[in-house]
Amino acid sequence: AQSVTQLGSHVSVSEGALVLLRCNYSSSVPPYLFWYVQYPNQGLQLLLKYTSAATLVKGINGFEAEFKKSETSFHLTKPSAHMSDAAEYFCAVSGDFGNEKLTFGTGTRLTIIP
Amino acid sequence: DSGVTQTPKHLITATGQRVTLRCSPRSGDLSVYWYQQSLDQGLQFLIQYYNGEERAKGNILERFSAQQFPDLHSELNLSSLELGDSALYFCASSPARTSGGEQYFGPGTRLTVT
Repeated sequence: AQSVTQLGSHVSVSEGALVLLRCNYSSSVPPYLFWYVQYPNQGLQLLLKYTSAATLVKGINGFEAEFKKSETSFHLTKPSAHMSDAAEYFCAVSGDFGNEKLTFGTGTRLTIIP
Repeated sequence: DSGVTQTPKHLITATGQRVTLRCSPRSGDLSVYWYQQSLDQGLQFLIQYYNGEERAKGNILERFSAQQFPDLHSELNLSSLELGDSALYFCASSPARTSGGEQYFGPGTRLTVT
C-alpha cells in the first residue's frame, strides 16, 4: 500500500529564512507525489506535483520539491519564507491507473515568525 | 478558486439525522472524489466516481453513500449521524481516469453533529 510520512507536525521559521518541510514516501514505482497547502478555513490548493518528468519540480508561490528515489523523499522547500506562507501543508501520493485516490500525510503546520 | 463548488458551506444537525452534501466538479472533469478531514483521522479518502459510476471505495462507512448524476454533480449522503461524523468533507475533481492527475478541491462542507 502507498503511504507518505511527514516529519514534524509543526515547523516554525523566521520571515526570510529557508522553509524545509519533509516528506518520505512508500510506494511501488512509479509514485505520483503531490504537495497541497491548506489555508485556514479553506480547501486544499495544489502547490506542485511529481510525475517522473523531472526530479526537481517547481510549483506556485516560489515552492519547489526534489524527488530523491534513493532516499524515498520528496521534501518541499522555499528559499525565503513570507508571512503569507503560514498554513498547513500536506504531502500526498497517488497510484497508477485505477488507483488514483490521494493518500495524505498527517500534515505540517508552518508558522512564520516576524 | 478551483472551480469545484460545494454546498452547503456549514451544516449543523443532531445525532441520528441524515444530511446530503453536494458537489459540482470543474467543467469537463469526469472524476469526483470525496474526502473526510477530521482531527483524529486526518484526511481520508471516502469514495470516487467516474462518469456516473463508482470507481473506488476507501474508508467509507456503511451509513454513508454517494452517487454521481448524469450532469456529473455528486452527492454524499450521511445517515444515522453520530458525534464522530463531525468533520470537514471535501469534494475534488480531476479531468480523466489517468495516472498522476492532480485533483482540484472544493472549499469543503463543515459538518457539526450535536
